[in-house]
Amino acid sequence: GAVVSQHPSWVICKSGTSVKIECRSLDFQATTMFWYRQFPKQSLMLMATSNEGSKATYEQGVEKDKFLINHASLTLSTLTVTSAHPEDSSFYICSALGGASGETQYFGPGTRLLVL
Amino acid sequence: AQSVTQPDIHITVSEGASLELRCNYSYGATPYLFWYVQSPGQGLQLLLKYFSGDTLVQGIKGFEAEFKRSQSSFNLRKPSVHWSDAAEYFCAVGAGGFQKLVFGTGTRLLVSP
Repeated sequence: GAVVSQHPSWVICKSGTSVKIECRSLDFQATTMFWYRQFPKQSLMLMATSNEGSKATYEQGVEKDKFLINHASLTLSTLTVTSAHPEDSSFYICSALGGASGETQYFGPGTRLLVL
Repeated sequence: AQSVTQPDIHITVSEGASLELRCNYSYGATPYLFWYVQSPGQGLQLLLKYFSGDTLVQGIKGFEAEFKRSQSSFNLRKPSVHWSDAAEYFCAVGAGGFQKLVFGTGTRLLVSP
């Protein structure tokens, strides 16, 4: 139980294009999902908290116009990297809040983005 | 502000030997504590968690962790390491209840034959 998927697992795109990453909770409903960014050999940095049916809450320093988050259903959140540039290349990981009391984050397998 | 310290960047353990990964946290209230494992190029898998009650918690894959309030620690242990345990291990504390996680910098475990 508590499986979270991400699609795609990796993507290569040209600078200036937009990329959409999907995060799905497969066997549970998640009103809250999170998006993280991880640089090589570093820890996870929270980018934003995504709540179903409402606007995402972004962490300080994260450009909300560049990283668009939509949480349209209880099982799906999407992250769109708009006008991607090489410095946006990273490993993006989502998590969904689940567990008996909605207290545990379950993580997806991550999406590796490379912007050329 | 909440913070998590994992003082060991790398640890090498012989296969079959015991393991202890250190984690210290800073949090004003009773913490929600987690250990996750990340294999190369993968997401994070939950090993175990502590919210309250028994301070020794059992997790998956034979791991356990002990919450010590007096030392602000939540160290991860395993009595006998297997080669498949080689991975990156992250300790995290739930901030703002458990809605947000603050992660440590991780400890990379290497297992030697």
